[in-house]
Amino acid sequence: DIVMTQSPATLSVSPGERATLSCGASRDIGHNLVWYQQRSGQPPRLLIYGASTRAAGIPARFSGSGSGTDFTLTIDGLQSEDFAVYFCQHYNNWPPRHTFGQGTKLEIK
Amino acid sequence: EVQLEQSGAEVKKPGESVKISCKGSGYTFSGRWIAWVRQTPEKGLEYIGIIYPGDLELKYSPSFEGQVTISADKSVSTAYLQFSRLTASDTGIYYCARGADKFDFWGPGTLVTVSS
Repeated sequence: DIVMTQSPATLSVSPGERATLSCGASRDIGHNLVWYQQRSGQPPRLLIYGASTRAAGIPARFSGSGSGTDFTLTIDGLQSEDFAVYFCQHYNNWPPRHTFGQGTKLEIK
Repeated sequence: EVQLEQSGAEVKKPGESVKISCKGSGYTFSGRWIAWVRQTPEKGLEYIGIIYPGDLELKYSPSFEGQVTISADKSVSTAYLQFSRLTASDTGIYYCARGADKFDFWGPGTLVTVSS
């Protein structure tokens, strides 16, 4: 099975600054990569799919990049509501297999 | 508005069974896959399996196959996740989510606690 590894585990950034989160796959997954945001006490929220396509209603300050084994989620101009946990997820179309990273906690510096 | 409404929290003893539900609204329930995902502090987010309510096609993660049963009833727009013999390690928050690859809408989660 593919293993998804996120780094760092915790990232401290000041409001208004840029945050860069990383996700690595144990083997080539093309662009089959999704990013979610999870605020405390809430379910995950879809941010990015296909490695770089923003989901409906997601602000432009969120961007995804990468392919193959290395992926990045960038959040520009951090706002208070952005401090949360972020997960990456690999998906295989068929048979459906979904593997999540362990998450990166984005905290206020 | 798309919504996934989940059943309430459950407290069970080891060896007991539980069936939790996920009712979809605001879209054609039979036409979109529903996935189940577990979240625990120890293992994070784990994919359990997926079902297509329209024809009941389903697929389990190898990690959960034989341990759970996923089903759906399109007449009431509801998917189900059932455990027949719970163990303490089944404690966690269970989410249903819409989609086959990306999960674009999630239910609020059902907390299942297994404790003697």
